[in-house]
Amino acid sequence: EAQVTQNPRYLITVTGKKLTVTCSQNMNHEYMSWYRQDPGLGLRQIYYSMNVEVTDKGDVPEGYKVSRKEKRNFPLILESPSPNQTSLYFCASSLSPTGDNEQFFGPGTRLTVL
Amino acid sequence: TQLLEQSPQFLSIQEGENLTVYCNSSSVFSSLQWYRQEPGEGPVLLVTVVTGGEVKKLKRLTFQFGDARKDSSLHITAAQTGDTGLYLCAGASRTGNQFYFGTGTSLTVIP
Repeated sequence: EAQVTQNPRYLITVTGKKLTVTCSQNMNHEYMSWYRQDPGLGLRQIYYSMNVEVTDKGDVPEGYKVSRKEKRNFPLILESPSPNQTSLYFCASSLSPTGDNEQFFGPGTRLTVL
Repeated sequence: TQLLEQSPQFLSIQEGENLTVYCNSSSVFSSLQWYRQEPGEGPVLLVTVVTGGEVKKLKRLTFQFGDARKDSSLHITAAQTGDTGLYLCAGASRTGNQFYFGTGTSLTVIP
């Protein structure tokens, strides 16, 4: 089944404790992206990747890192999480990096930073 | 920076009524997408519009892209309870690799 998977689905952590949220897609998509969703703000793009070893900042990259060493994986790293990073995070992928391609979203990761 | 504003933010209507959701911006987008999101799930694409003035229909849903490619609307005819959900518009940058989502419209259709 074609899908985007994220792990973990739920995470409660404390300020400053490094964490990684994994994202994997099995559709051989070139483009992958991370978003955060907050009430009243919609989804905001954190980072995106147009292909292996090619990543770029989105609208709200501060406090986050990403890597794209393999085509299928695009982990999101929070080196020193803070409470303002409490949010619902979505990973997405699409066939190619053009705006008319459908983005397939993962099920989301709800992160709480205490 | 919130480039796309959606209105209304919340909408509660009776089954069978019609409704329109608006997505507005001062920026030009290369394309615009509409997604629907159910609680506990990621957004799912409904439609992509690319050409200014383009109109697309998906059963009871009609989508329009503004002539200047800065705004869009979603019209639902004879709403059903299954239409309940969060509707999100998303504009793609001129290069196509950055996406800006609207603030979302939460629709509840009451039986």
